[in-house]
Amino acid sequence: NAGVTQTPKFRILKIGQSMTLQCTQDMNHNYMYWYRQDPGMGLKLIYYSVGAGITDKGEVPNGYNVSRSTTEDFPLRLELAAPSQTSVYFCASSRGQGDYGYTFGSGTRLTVV
Amino acid sequence: LAKTTQPISMDSYEGQEVNITCSHNNIATNDYITWYQQFPSQGPRFIIQGYKTKVTNEVASLFIPADRKSSTLSLPRVSLSDTAVYYCLVVIYNQGGKLIFGQGTELSVKP
Repeated sequence: NAGVTQTPKFRILKIGQSMTLQCTQDMNHNYMYWYRQDPGMGLKLIYYSVGAGITDKGEVPNGYNVSRSTTEDFPLRLELAAPSQTSVYFCASSRGQGDYGYTFGSGTRLTVV
Repeated sequence: LAKTTQPISMDSYEGQEVNITCSHNNIATNDYITWYQQFPSQGPRFIIQGYKTKVTNEVASLFIPADRKSSTLSLPRVSLSDTAVYYCLVVIYNQGGKLIFGQGTELSVKP
């Protein structure tokens, strides 16, 4: 049972490049989330999904896009990377209503130069 | 949205009980209270969740008074490995159970 798996673990991007951060979970959780964490700060919600085909914006969605074509996968797309997107990105999942224990992935450390 | 307020930092010694109090004055009727622990370079880890009164598991207890405007996480007999950041969060029931993180409390356990 792998839980929540994020790839890659580290990545350096040049300004203006694009990339997709992968997130997959094997717990059959309906709810999935993307957060970013800047140094010394708490996590900020980027996007979330309550099921396949359904996504919604969080606190800081600008510059990001998501899709949820399957229950297992919730990729995060960065278009036109900017230095302000340098951060650690965490994906999480939960069963949903009535069971709110999130399982987080180990994170992707992204640097935009 | 229900905002949480908790101390920025706390110090303790090994073997002591640590209580971290959090206020959440605007909590809605259907929202839950949950606590997470985060070590450096790792994702947060779920500790405990409750709605009211007291909840206990193998690692912590959570006390929630009747008005639910605050909660207290209690860590019995802490060890050096409990040094971490602890987040108090309100789970927003009608918005996909999403969690809005604040600054957290940085707990430092000393020998």
